[in-house]
Amino acid sequence: DAGVIQSPRHEVTEMGQEVTLRCKPISGHNSLFWYRQTMMRGLELLIYFNNNVPIDDSGMPEDRFSAKMPNASFSTLKIQPSEPRDSAVYFCASSPGTSGETQYFGPGTRLLVL
Amino acid sequence: AQSVTQLDSQVPVFEEAPVELRCNYSSSVSVYLFWYVQYPNQGLQLLLKYLSGSTLVKGINGFEAEFNKSQTSFHLRKPSVHISDTAEYFCAVIDTGFQKLVFGTGTRLLVSP
Repeated sequence: DAGVIQSPRHEVTEMGQEVTLRCKPISGHNSLFWYRQTMMRGLELLIYFNNNVPIDDSGMPEDRFSAKMPNASFSTLKIQPSEPRDSAVYFCASSPGTSGETQYFGPGTRLLVL
Repeated sequence: AQSVTQLDSQVPVFEEAPVELRCNYSSSVSVYLFWYVQYPNQGLQLLLKYLSGSTLVKGINGFEAEFNKSQTSFHLRKPSVHISDTAEYFCAVIDTGFQKLVFGTGTRLLVSP
Protein backbone atom coordinates (compact mmCIF):
# COMPACT_ATOMS: atom_id res chain seq x y z
CA ASP A 1 0.00 0.00 0.00
CA ALA A 2 1.29 3.46 -0.86
CA GLY A 3 0.17 4.95 2.41
CA VAL A 4 -1.56 8.30 2.72
CA ILE A 5 -0.80 10.49 -0.27
CA GLN A 6 -0.78 14.27 -0.10
CA SER A 7 -0.29 16.84 -2.80
CA PRO A 8 1.33 19.16 -3.37
CA ARG A 9 4.30 18.54 -1.07
CA HIS A 10 5.22 22.22 -1.14
CA GLU A 11 3.13 25.25 -1.95
CA VAL A 12 4.20 28.87 -2.09
CA THR A 13 1.50 31.42 -2.72
CA GLU A 14 0.72 35.04 -2.18
CA MET A 15 -1.62 36.46 0.39
CA GLY A 16 -5.19 36.50 -0.85
CA GLN A 17 -4.84 33.54 -3.17
CA GLU A 18 -6.86 30.36 -2.87
CA VAL A 19 -4.98 27.26 -1.77
CA THR A 20 -6.19 23.70 -2.15
CA LEU A 21 -4.50 20.80 -0.44
CA ARG A 22 -5.31 17.24 -1.44
CA CYS A 23 -5.30 13.92 0.33
CA LYS A 24 -5.82 10.32 -0.65
CA PRO A 25 -6.30 8.09 2.41
CA ILE A 26 -5.27 4.47 2.68
CA SER A 27 -7.73 2.25 0.86
CA GLY A 28 -10.30 0.77 3.21
CA HIS A 29 -9.83 3.35 5.93
CA ASN A 30 -13.06 4.94 7.07
CA SER A 31 -11.73 7.96 8.95
CA LEU A 32 -9.72 10.91 7.67
CA PHE A 33 -8.11 13.68 9.67
CA TRP A 34 -6.59 17.04 8.75
CA TYR A 35 -3.91 18.49 11.06
CA ARG A 36 -1.86 21.66 11.03
CA GLN A 37 1.64 21.85 12.51
CA THR A 38 3.37 25.10 13.45
CA MET A 39 6.22 25.96 15.76
CA MET A 40 3.98 28.11 17.91
CA ARG A 41 0.94 25.86 18.26
CA GLY A 42 2.32 22.38 17.59
CA LEU A 43 0.00 19.79 16.05
CA GLU A 44 -3.64 20.81 15.89
CA LEU A 45 -6.56 18.75 14.64
CA LEU A 46 -8.55 20.84 12.19
CA ILE A 47 -11.33 18.47 11.15
CA TYR A 48 -12.07 14.80 10.79
CA PHE A 49 -14.45 12.68 8.73
CA ASN A 50 -16.04 9.29 9.30
CA ASN A 51 -17.34 7.56 6.18
CA ASN A 52 -16.93 10.83 4.25
CA VAL A 53 -19.08 12.78 6.75
CA PRO A 54 -17.51 15.63 8.75
CA ILE A 55 -17.75 14.74 12.44
CA ASP A 56 -15.85 17.47 14.23
CA ASP A 57 -14.69 20.71 12.62
CA SER A 58 -14.18 22.63 15.84
CA GLY A 59 -10.49 22.96 15.08
CA MET A 60 -10.99 24.82 11.82
CA PRO A 61 -9.56 28.26 12.57
CA GLU A 62 -12.08 30.38 10.71
CA ASP A 63 -14.44 30.54 7.76
CA ARG A 64 -11.57 30.92 5.34
CA PHE A 65 -10.90 27.22 5.87
CA SER A 66 -13.11 24.52 4.40
CA ALA A 67 -12.73 20.78 3.92
CA LYS A 68 -14.59 18.28 1.81
CA MET A 69 -14.56 14.55 1.31
CA PRO A 70 -16.61 13.79 -1.81
CA ASN A 71 -15.73 10.09 -1.71
CA ALA A 72 -13.83 7.53 0.32
CA SER A 73 -10.59 8.05 -1.57
CA PHE A 74 -10.24 11.82 -1.72
CA SER A 75 -10.36 14.87 0.50
CA THR A 76 -9.48 18.52 0.07
CA LEU A 77 -8.64 21.31 2.48
CA LYS A 78 -9.16 24.75 1.01
CA ILE A 79 -8.03 28.12 2.29
CA GLN A 80 -9.63 31.14 0.67
CA PRO A 81 -8.28 33.77 0.94
CA SER A 82 -4.93 32.69 2.32
CA GLU A 83 -2.97 34.78 4.82
CA PRO A 84 0.68 34.67 5.95
CA ARG A 85 -0.36 33.25 9.33
CA ASP A 86 -1.68 30.16 7.50
CA SER A 87 1.91 29.17 6.74
CA ALA A 88 2.40 25.73 8.26
CA VAL A 89 2.73 22.07 7.46
CA TYR A 90 -0.63 20.45 6.86
CA PHE A 91 -0.94 16.74 7.48
CA CYS A 92 -3.62 14.34 6.43
CA ALA A 93 -4.06 11.07 8.32
CA SER A 94 -6.40 8.11 7.97
CA SER A 95 -7.42 5.26 10.22
CA PRO A 96 -9.59 2.16 9.92
CA GLY A 97 -12.21 4.02 11.87
CA THR A 98 -12.75 3.12 15.48
CA SER A 99 -11.37 4.65 18.65
CA GLY A 100 -7.90 3.44 19.47
CA GLU A 101 -7.03 2.61 15.91
CA THR A 102 -3.70 3.90 14.70
CA GLN A 103 -3.78 7.02 12.57
CA TYR A 104 -1.47 6.83 9.57
CA PHE A 105 -0.02 10.14 8.50
CA GLY A 106 0.86 11.42 5.09
CA PRO A 107 4.13 13.26 4.39
CA GLY A 108 2.49 16.65 4.72
CA THR A 109 2.14 19.77 2.59
CA ARG A 110 4.44 22.61 3.51
CA LEU A 111 2.54 25.84 2.83
CA LEU A 112 4.15 29.25 2.68
CA VAL A 113 1.94 32.28 2.21
CA LEU A 114 3.88 35.42 1.31
CA ALA B 1 -10.65 18.75 27.85
CA GLN B 2 -7.87 16.25 27.51
CA SER B 3 -4.31 17.55 27.46
CA VAL B 4 -0.82 16.09 27.20
CA THR B 5 2.34 17.49 28.76
CA GLN B 6 5.80 16.75 27.48
CA LEU B 7 8.01 18.58 29.91
CA ASP B 8 11.23 18.31 27.94
CA SER B 9 11.34 20.22 24.68
CA GLN B 10 14.79 18.84 23.88
CA VAL B 11 16.81 15.91 25.19
CA PRO B 12 20.46 15.63 24.18
CA VAL B 13 22.07 12.23 24.67
CA PHE B 14 25.16 10.37 23.54
CA GLU B 15 24.96 7.37 21.27
CA GLU B 16 24.45 4.04 23.11
CA ALA B 17 23.22 5.81 26.25
CA PRO B 18 19.74 5.13 27.65
CA VAL B 19 17.00 7.71 27.27
CA GLU B 20 13.60 8.47 28.78
CA LEU B 21 11.14 10.93 27.26
CA ARG B 22 8.44 11.99 29.66
CA CYS B 23 4.73 12.28 29.00
CA ASN B 24 1.86 13.09 31.35
CA TYR B 25 -1.81 13.37 30.45
CA SER B 26 -4.56 15.23 32.22
CA SER B 27 -7.55 12.96 32.50
CA SER B 28 -8.15 10.10 34.86
CA VAL B 29 -10.87 8.57 32.71
CA SER B 30 -10.13 5.63 30.48
CA VAL B 31 -7.72 6.57 27.72
CA TYR B 32 -5.65 5.20 24.90
CA LEU B 33 -2.06 6.44 24.67
CA PHE B 34 0.33 6.72 21.75
CA TRP B 35 3.88 7.69 20.93
CA TYR B 36 4.65 8.93 17.43
CA VAL B 37 8.02 9.81 15.90
CA GLN B 38 8.62 12.47 13.26
CA TYR B 39 11.85 12.46 11.26
CA PRO B 40 12.85 15.69 9.52
CA ASN B 41 10.51 16.68 6.69
CA GLN B 42 8.36 13.61 7.15
CA GLY B 43 4.97 12.74 8.57
CA LEU B 44 4.38 11.08 11.91
CA GLN B 45 4.95 7.37 12.35
CA LEU B 46 3.52 5.28 15.18
CA LEU B 47 6.12 3.96 17.61
CA LEU B 48 3.79 2.19 20.02
CA LYS B 49 0.38 2.41 21.65
CA TYR B 50 -1.38 1.38 24.84
CA LEU B 51 -5.01 0.31 24.60
CA SER B 52 -5.37 -2.15 27.48
CA GLY B 53 -3.66 -5.08 29.15
CA SER B 54 0.01 -5.08 30.12
CA THR B 55 1.19 -1.67 31.21
CA LEU B 56 4.57 -2.20 29.53
CA VAL B 57 4.24 -1.71 25.82
CA LYS B 58 6.96 -2.54 23.33
CA GLY B 59 7.21 -0.75 20.02
CA ILE B 60 9.36 -0.47 16.95
CA ASN B 61 13.05 0.40 16.89
CA GLY B 62 13.63 -0.92 20.41
CA PHE B 63 11.41 1.61 22.17
CA GLU B 64 9.08 0.79 25.03
CA ALA B 65 6.72 2.75 27.25
CA GLU B 66 5.04 2.15 30.57
CA PHE B 67 1.51 3.20 31.36
CA ASN B 68 1.12 4.40 34.93
CA LYS B 69 -2.50 5.20 35.70
CA SER B 70 -1.92 6.54 39.21
CA GLN B 71 0.64 9.02 37.92
CA THR B 72 -1.17 9.60 34.62
CA SER B 73 2.11 9.05 32.82
CA PHE B 74 3.27 7.22 29.72
CA HIS B 75 7.05 7.67 29.55
CA LEU B 76 9.01 6.43 26.56
CA ARG B 77 12.32 4.62 27.04
CA LYS B 78 15.11 3.08 25.04
CA PRO B 79 18.08 1.34 26.69
CA SER B 80 20.60 2.30 24.00
CA VAL B 81 20.01 4.99 21.40
CA HIS B 82 21.45 5.31 17.91
CA ILE B 83 22.27 8.37 15.86
CA SER B 84 19.31 7.44 13.65
CA ASP B 85 16.94 7.96 16.61
CA THR B 86 17.43 11.71 16.29
CA ALA B 87 13.89 12.98 15.67
CA GLU B 88 10.89 14.64 17.27
CA TYR B 89 8.76 12.45 19.51
CA PHE B 90 5.11 13.14 20.22
CA CYS B 91 2.95 11.68 22.94
CA ALA B 92 -0.79 11.60 22.24
CA VAL B 93 -3.98 10.55 24.01
CA ILE B 94 -7.53 9.66 23.04
CA ASP B 95 -10.44 9.31 25.43
CA THR B 96 -11.81 5.78 25.09
CA GLY B 97 -14.68 5.70 22.63
CA PHE B 98 -13.55 8.77 20.77
CA GLN B 99 -11.26 9.40 17.83
CA LYS B 100 -9.82 12.82 18.54
CA LEU B 101 -6.06 12.53 19.17
CA VAL B 102 -4.61 15.21 21.42
CA PHE B 103 -0.88 15.67 20.97
CA GLY B 104 1.80 16.96 23.29
CA THR B 105 4.17 19.68 22.13
CA GLY B 106 6.87 17.18 21.25
CA THR B 107 10.37 16.36 22.50
CA ARG B 108 13.33 16.68 20.20
CA LEU B 109 15.79 13.85 20.81
CA LEU B 110 19.32 14.75 19.75
CA VAL B 111 21.74 11.84 19.65
CA SER B 112 25.40 12.66 19.22
CA PRO B 113 28.43 10.41 18.74
